[in-house]
This record gives sequence, C-alpha cells and structure tokens, in this order.
Amino acid sequence: QVQLHQWGAGLLKPSETLSLSCTVSGGSLSDYYWGWIRQSPGKGLEWIGDINDDGDTNYSPSLESRVTLSVDTAKNQFSLKMNSVSAADTAVYYCARAPGYSGKFVSWGQGTLVTVSS
Amino acid sequence: DIQMTQSPPSLSAYVGDRVTITCQASHDISNALNWYQQKPGKAPKLLIYDTSNLETGVPSRFTGSGSGRNFFLTIISLQSEDIATYYCQQYEDLPYTFGLGTKLEIK
Repeated sequence: QVQLHQWGAGLLKPSETLSLSCTVSGGSLSDYYWGWIRQSPGKGLEWIGDINDDGDTNYSPSLESRVTLSVDTAKNQFSLKMNSVSAADTAVYYCARAPGYSGKFVSWGQGTLVTVSS
Repeated sequence: DIQMTQSPPSLSAYVGDRVTITCQASHDISNALNWYQQKPGKAPKLLIYDTSNLETGVPSRFTGSGSGRNFFLTIISLQSEDIATYYCQQYEDLPYTFGLGTKLEIK
C-alpha cells in the first residue's frame, strides 16, 4: 500500500517562499506522476502541477511563474516550492499520486494547512 | 482552462434514496472525467475514473455516466456513510480542473 506523507512550514509571511515535501513509502517513484493540489474555501480544489521520476514537469499556467517542482529519487520524495506568497495562497496543500500520465489521483497525502499572514 | 460546473451545490436526501450529482464541462472532454469523495478534515478519495469505472474498493452503489460535456454521479441507495462533498475533475487538458463540489447531507 503506497502512502504519502507530507511536511513543511505552515505559517508564512507575505513574499516568503512556501516549501513542502512529500515522502513516498511502500513503492517507488517510477511509472507515476506526483502532483500537488491545493484547496481553499474561495477557490475549491486547484491543481498546481506534477512531476515524474525523470523530472518532467507540468504546471498550472496561473502559478507557473512562482512554482518549482523537484524530485529526489534517492530519498523517494518530491517537493514543491512557491515563491512570493500572498494571503491568496492560504490553503490546504495536498501531494498526490497519479498512474502514468492519467490525470487520476489515486493516493493523497494527509494535507498541510499553509497560512500566509503578516 | 476547462471550467467544470457542478450542481446542485448542496443536496439533502433520505437514507435509501437515489441521488444524482451533475457535472458539466465548458468544452467536450470525451470521457476524461473523475469523481472524488471528500469527508471533513480528510483528503479527497478517488471514487470513479474515466467517467464510469469504479475505483477498487468503492461500493457498487456508486455509478458514473456521461460523455462529452455532461456527466453524472449516482448513488443508487444512499447510506449514512456517504455524507461527504463530491467533486468532479477533468483530465482531458491541462491544467486539470475541478468542480466546486456538491455537499451531500442526510435528511
């Protein structure tokens, strides 16, 4: 049973960089795309982007200029960085797993609430 | 971006009722549609993929149908444990997009 466990800072000030990581246990990073999705009361579920074990990435155009995804196959983990955060980035952030390039998220992390406040 | 419109936003029904949630895409997405169930404080859980395929372990009272722009999630006989918010998601085109959800409650 593949499990995703995510962690990272939950309170940021405006203009700081959001940094979250997700460790995969019970399986390897191969043959899957590893995504980030956030959920805020105002905008519902929003796909941020995804990455595979080769480092191929896809980003949401609305966030692409501020987001970087990376993967560390040795540690079996992948990460999200988002710079220049504002209050609008306050949300619960989830990491998730999708088989191949299927677009279906079959496993999710537990979620991390990130609050941006001065 | 492809916009996903769900209706109704909320729904109240009795245990045993047949319940249907609708999702409409702004463009033709063929059958590239998934449904998720989310309970309070938990991550979404995949219920149905490719419009009508039941994810492993999901009860058979959940069914999905539709094509093109119009899609439906039906719970054949509502159970108390089905209380949750349901989301559709398209994967025909990037960025993947979700509906705003339908909150299901028991009468």
